[in-house]
Amino acid sequence: DSGVTQTPKHLITATGQRVTLRCSPRSGDLSVYWYQQSLDQGLQFLIQYYNGEERAKGNILERFSAQQFPDLHSELNLSSLELGDSALYFCASSVGAGEYNEQFFGPGTRLTVL
Amino acid sequence: TQLLEQSPQFLSIQEGENLTVYCNSSSVFSSLQWYRQEPGEGPVLLVTVVTGGEVKKLKRLTFQFGDARKDSSLHITAAQPGDTGLYLCAGVGVYNFNKFYFGSGTKLNVKP
Repeated sequence: DSGVTQTPKHLITATGQRVTLRCSPRSGDLSVYWYQQSLDQGLQFLIQYYNGEERAKGNILERFSAQQFPDLHSELNLSSLELGDSALYFCASSVGAGEYNEQFFGPGTRLTVL
Repeated sequence: TQLLEQSPQFLSIQEGENLTVYCNSSSVFSSLQWYRQEPGEGPVLLVTVVTGGEVKKLKRLTFQFGDARKDSSLHITAAQPGDTGLYLCAGVGVYNFNKFYFGSGTKLNVKP
């Protein structure tokens, strides 16, 4: 158990819908990272927040958005869902920001878009 | 397309054999990390290599960062069934230390 929690564990929805994925970092961690893992593209970095502020952006679609709240939990919002958005979405947290901070990954949310 | 290419994609070997996994890119990275992921779980960090040419050893695992900081390798000696899993390399961006670029992974199966 990494100490990072993600809800829900599984999510099944239809194309065109909007969903929210939630992440609670380890106690004391200020950074939250979001990743998408699909079968054909491996793990893709989406976005990172540090203490409520966006610090880095990866291959995140305009239909996707995220935020980190004052209590440091984070939400990833996915809208106008397409079949290709079906994937595992991981959240990771670290104490600080930057490469020397070990990221601890949550168990992931499996999103299925039908 | 992945910025980091890993090879081989799949590897099935017998317990006791040695193996090497490669992680290659045309881009330079500030540092490189290796993770291991088991089914149904998130990746777990194994090591971070920072300096070009650096070699790090963790028990039976040896990690090397290329001199030009564009590639890395993971060598496992005397593989055990407990080594089975998905091995991922991740490069850290030179201009933004918060950007991580993951390879597509090497799925290792060690048969008893």
